[in-house]
Amino acid sequence: TQLLEQSPQFLSIQEGENLTVYCNSSSVFSSLQWYRQEPGEGPVLLVTVVTGGEVKKLKRLTFQFGDARKDSSLHITAAQPGDTGLYLCAGARGGSYIPTFGRGTSLIVHP
Amino acid sequence: DTAVSQTPKYLVTQMGNDKSIKCEQNLGHDTMYWYKQDSKKFLKIMFSYNNKELIINETVPNRFSPKSPDKAHLNLHINSLELGDSAVYFCASSQGSRRREETQYFGPGTRLLVL
Repeated sequence: TQLLEQSPQFLSIQEGENLTVYCNSSSVFSSLQWYRQEPGEGPVLLVTVVTGGEVKKLKRLTFQFGDARKDSSLHITAAQPGDTGLYLCAGARGGSYIPTFGRGTSLIVHP
Repeated sequence: DTAVSQTPKYLVTQMGNDKSIKCEQNLGHDTMYWYKQDSKKFLKIMFSYNNKELIINETVPNRFSPKSPDKAHLNLHINSLELGDSAVYFCASSQGSRRREETQYFGPGTRLLVL
């Protein structure tokens, strides 16, 4: 059983479109992180959210942590080809600082 | 300057062989990790070391043995390689503050193919 479920698994869109990626769990997390992994590279941290209901913005990316700290979403506005990559959510539970990763959403943005 | 480096980047070998992957970080971090990413991109932690001491050892076959000669290095030795070991192996490091906002810095990965 996967602790963190990400949806959709794959997403192929045109440049300029908006999209939302979801990360859901039945468990409560003390923190949740989003990473982006480009082909042939390791994951790179985009954001960490720690407070229920928290919203963080990173240019065209908006991250939200659910009120109950069980889920999170990543919204990208006006997607660009440079946004192409694998988006991974990772949650840490209880007193642990070691995150558990979801299976990722593979995004392709076509020019 | 590369923060977390791994060698080799590609490793193709025969079943039954023994191989090692090296990892070095120049960030001054106290904690290092090994992850395995399978063909479906699932990233799963294998080991974690803090100041050269093993702190996490997930359910990993004992053919896998991490070694940390100092806190800047964490190597992974694999004995008797099997087909199912084919994957991308990522090394990562973090400050080791054990705070929930801790950032992990990943290396570029080692692509292992066992034939």
